[in-house]
Amino acid sequence: AQTVTQSQPEMSVQEAETVTLSCTYDTSESDYYLFWYKQPPSRQMILVIRQEAYKQQNATENRFSVNFQKAAKSFSLKISDSQLGDAAMYFCAYRKNSGGSNYKLTFGKGTLLTVNP
Amino acid sequence: KAGVTQTPRYLIKTRGQQVTLSCSPISGHRSVSWYQQTPGQGLQFLFEYFSETQRNKGNFPGRFSGRQFSNSRSEMNVSTLELGDSALYLCASSGDNSYEQYFGPGTRLTVT
Repeated sequence: AQTVTQSQPEMSVQEAETVTLSCTYDTSESDYYLFWYKQPPSRQMILVIRQEAYKQQNATENRFSVNFQKAAKSFSLKISDSQLGDAAMYFCAYRKNSGGSNYKLTFGKGTLLTVNP
Repeated sequence: KAGVTQTPRYLIKTRGQQVTLSCSPISGHRSVSWYQQTPGQGLQFLFEYFSETQRNKGNFPGRFSGRQFSNSRSEMNVSTLELGDSALYLCASSGDNSYEQYFGPGTRLTVT
């Protein structure tokens, strides 16, 4: 079974600084997707960034970027120029690529990010 | 496009009762997945429906069931509620040939 581990239950960062959230996963599959979701106190889960395992290039979305190390099964999220609105619980998630027939996401336990003004 | 909607947002039930939660996916999305979120267990996959058929099921007891209608709206039902069923229930939809899931705001269920 696939597992996703987020080893940092809580992190804090100063506004405008950079922070990196860690995620490791375990799978025997070679084709899969990885995601970072953000869940603010309002509870709406928002997709932040996604990475296809077959792509070597790390995904980037504005201030958010990932460091995807497939051999090490590591998928960290870097948030640059942190803003107060970035404060939230961040979840790393995995999904096997089954040709569109399996939409099950496996989540890590989450990292609570605090942004200090 | 309107996002994923879930109703009701909050629900309080008594142990032993049953409850039905509703989810309307993004227009055009045929896949709907349900997740349970608790402080102790985190986010756990319940089941996924596509074109009115259950395609995947998580490791939950038979008290948890769901269905999907022809307009892709989905409902999940929990019978004989237990205190441990208190959780945030999240619904997510996905388009055909898309690997991204978009979540609704959730339904907070409290069982007393």
